[in-house]
Amino acid sequence: GQQVMQIPQYQHVQEGEDFTTYCNSSTTLSNIQWYKQRPGGHPVFLIQLVKSGEVKKQKRLTFQFGEAKKNSSLHITATQTTDVGTYFCAGPQGAQKLVFGQGTRLTINP
Amino acid sequence: DAGVIQSPRHEVTEMGQEVTLRCKPISGHDYLFWYRQTMMRGLELLIYFNNNVPIDDSGMPEDRFSAKMPNASFSTLKIQPSEPRDSAVYFCASSFLGNQPQHFGDGTRLSIL
Repeated sequence: GQQVMQIPQYQHVQEGEDFTTYCNSSTTLSNIQWYKQRPGGHPVFLIQLVKSGEVKKQKRLTFQFGEAKKNSSLHITATQTTDVGTYFCAGPQGAQKLVFGQGTRLTINP
Repeated sequence: DAGVIQSPRHEVTEMGQEVTLRCKPISGHDYLFWYRQTMMRGLELLIYFNNNVPIDDSGMPEDRFSAKMPNASFSTLKIQPSEPRDSAVYFCASSFLGNQPQHFGDGTRLSIL
C-alpha cells in the first residue's frame, strides 16, 4: 500500500541552527499536510500544500511541495526552543483517510 | 469553537478490565478517526467512520478492540479484555472530508498494569 516516509527520524540542533525534515511518498499525492506535536501533546495541523512546486511560509517555517507531488520538506530557520516537538507529514490515501509519516522528532539545545 | 473532546484524559487499570474511551468530534465534521500512538509503532490508524458508519477497521489490532459511533456527536473505542501491550496514547480526530486536515483531541493516556 501507499507509504509516506520521513527522514530523519530524530534531529538535535543548537538553538539558532536551521532544521529540515523530508517527506517522501510512494505515490503521487493530491495534497500534503504537515502537523506538529509538542511533547505530551496532540498533533496539530500546520499547513496544507496542494500545487506542484508550491512553497508556503509561516514566519520561520518554510514548506515545499515537490514538482512531482511525491515529496515535501519543512525547513525551520533559526530554531527556537518553542520549535521542539515531532513534525509529521501526511498524505491522502484515496478520498477518505490520511497516511502519516513516522515523524521527525526535533530537540533543541538552548 | 470547541475542538475534539476526548475522555478520560488518563486511564490506569489492571489487565483484564474493560476500557472505554470516548470522543466527541467537531460539529459538522463527517469523518472520525481513532489512532493509537506508541514510541515503537508511531501513529497507527485503528478505524474511521464516515457519517457514523465504520468504513475501515483493518487497523484494529484484535477482536478485543471494538468501536462504535451511535450518532454524529459521539464515538467510543472499547478494549475488552485489556492487556499491558494496549498501553498507549489513543487519539480521536475528526475532519470535514477524509483527505483534508484533521483536528485531534488531547488524547487518552492508557496504562494497563
